[in-house]
Amino acid sequence: EVQLLQSGAEVKRPGTTVKISCKVSGYSFSDYYINWVQQAPGKGLEWLGLLDPEDGATIYAERFQDRVTIIADTSIDTAYMELSSLRSEDTAVYYCALARSGSYSLDYWGHGTLVTVSS
Amino acid sequence: QSVLTQPPSASGTPGQRVTISCSGSRFNIGGNYVYWYQQFPGTAPKLLIYWDNQRPSGVPDRFSGSKSGTSASLAISGLRSDDEADYYCAAWDDSLSGQLVFGGGTMLTVL
Repeated sequence: EVQLLQSGAEVKRPGTTVKISCKVSGYSFSDYYINWVQQAPGKGLEWLGLLDPEDGATIYAERFQDRVTIIADTSIDTAYMELSSLRSEDTAVYYCALARSGSYSLDYWGHGTLVTVSS
Repeated sequence: QSVLTQPPSASGTPGQRVTISCSGSRFNIGGNYVYWYQQFPGTAPKLLIYWDNQRPSGVPDRFSGSKSGTSASLAISGLRSDDEADYYCAAWDDSLSGQLVFGGGTMLTVL
């Protein structure tokens, strides 16, 4: 069974950086792209980017390109999403989600990590 | 402003058939697959339809997807009270450097 376990909620000050983890199990780590999706309170879904664990290649959404970094530690089947220069509008639940290599279908989702940005 | 356009709300009565539209452009829906997700309050989204009209195992055949040109639709037949949820469409967008884009979401109410 594919499982995605995300790190716990975070409270951050504006201007700082948050790093969220997503530990996956139940499949071969290189078989799926790891995606990150943002959902602000009461709002819709917004894609931040993806990483191909096979070669570490990344694609980032235009809106977040300057502030987001997605990496993976293949030795422990864990992906990370780092968002810098946080502002209040970044207060949201962040989901990791898996898409089979070569597809953009988000087949499996983590439970989400709430990030609150507040001074 | 989302790249893909969905109606903010939809409604129907039990047993009815409802459709949710998703409008895009040649850069996204017009040239790439469409995906649909279902989300209940406080939970993660769930894949409902992939590759325009394919259902993952476990998704009832009451849910169906279709696409024509730069628009797509999700149809739900035999509407049930537990279908009340938010529904999102998504597609890869080839403009700029390429990215996955979502619709703004449609809140479905079962009356």
